[in-house]
Amino acid sequence: AQKITQTQPGMFVQEKEAVTLDCTYDTSDPSYGLFWYKQPSSGEMIFLIYQGSYDQQNATEGRYSLNFQKARKSANLVISASQLGDSAMYFCAMREVNTGFQKLVFGTGTRLLVSP
Amino acid sequence: DAGITQSPRHKVTETGTPVTLRCHQTENHRYMYWYRQDPGHGLRLIHYSYGVKDTDKGEVSDGYSVSRSKTEDFLLTLESATSSQTSVYFCAISELEGNEQFFGPGTRLTVL
Repeated sequence: AQKITQTQPGMFVQEKEAVTLDCTYDTSDPSYGLFWYKQPSSGEMIFLIYQGSYDQQNATEGRYSLNFQKARKSANLVISASQLGDSAMYFCAMREVNTGFQKLVFGTGTRLLVSP
Repeated sequence: DAGITQSPRHKVTETGTPVTLRCHQTENHRYMYWYRQDPGHGLRLIHYSYGVKDTDKGEVSDGYSVSRSKTEDFLLTLESATSSQTSVYFCAISELEGNEQFFGPGTRLTVL
């Protein structure tokens, strides 16, 4: 079974609008962490935001927020007020304690295109 | 930005030849990782290191070996490259176990 599922291969949004990128995960480990990374066309991987399984509040970092719904095993990334520079691939990733805390498992990514 | 460099950035080689990719960090982070990125697969962990001379296998380790003789350098070796190892290879580092990982710029390897 896929550990991380990103069901949206591509998403389109207009500049200044908000967009939600979906991520669901599968784990039986009570302790885990969820990450989002951005990969622009230049190729580098940029860390955006982190959510721990025991965190009481949803993580936020500037225009990025993580909509963490533990019971539904989802960790959607919300980008508010989209900018042209947000056009990129976005990857959701998870680490679990029982498979090695330092190992990240990535989803297949969602390509976001922001139009003027 | 985390100080991570990868060399070479691009390489074309022939099947059966050995290839070594280098990752160098200036952050003195304990943990280092090698991933490969292929279309439809996201990033997959090849090997990682949790200290000098301490390494372990990841999800797709077959055909690869690693070495870490210094904190700042993590080498990935393809002993005998195959076309299935054509990929983009990323190195990553993290300061503490479980923390976010910071990635290098990547190496595009083509095996003909």
